[in-house]
Amino acid sequence: GAGVSQSPSNKVTEKGKDVELRCDPISGHTALYWYRQSLGQGLEFLIYFQGNSAPDKSGLPSDRFSAERTGGSVSTLTIQRTQQEDSAVYLCASSFGSLFVVETEAFFGQGTRLTVV
Amino acid sequence: AQSVTQLGSHVSVSEGALVLLRCNYSSSVPPYLFWYVQYPNQGLQLLLKYTSAATLVKGINGFEAEFKKSETSFHLTKPSAHMSDAAEYFCAVSDGTSYGKLTFGQGTILTVHP
Repeated sequence: GAGVSQSPSNKVTEKGKDVELRCDPISGHTALYWYRQSLGQGLEFLIYFQGNSAPDKSGLPSDRFSAERTGGSVSTLTIQRTQQEDSAVYLCASSFGSLFVVETEAFFGQGTRLTVV
Repeated sequence: AQSVTQLGSHVSVSEGALVLLRCNYSSSVPPYLFWYVQYPNQGLQLLLKYTSAATLVKGINGFEAEFKKSETSFHLTKPSAHMSDAAEYFCAVSDGTSYGKLTFGQGTILTVHP
């Protein structure tokens, strides 16, 4: 596709339920990142994929959070037993591999707004 | 470890006035620095980035930023504000050793009034 696509755009779930958030990166982008944007915490890094591997998952807040990437493309972020503090906008970004080469950049999706009630 | 401080959570300017959004960083290694803009209900868009090639970096939409190592600053400026510049702006830093792992500031909401 033309840009990073995330689905759903909005998700309301009951406390204790599991949710899956999907990210379709730009075709050919090898690197994929998940961030969380919340009122109290700002923008936080969650996890980074290079291909299907996650060399850095240091930002995942608890073991209720997990993510996978298949085929070097689509990624799913799963939150188990959701809590109210999980309410936030979850942003996905992709890039060719490095943000630090002048001609590349990370492109962000519009995010999934998760509300836990 | 890196950190970013954006001075002023809200900045208000008149259309045509200078825009100055402040960012100070902390990094134990030479940093890579970024400015992103976020319009309502949209993702982040890269405005510009500093990767040690030049201290004055020009970005999109007429924005530029200057890296000042002695002041540990990377302030964002635009000579003349436009109504369409109203958005939230984020400064971010990375140490360059971990792809895409950015530490963001808390953001500055820019309001432009006629």
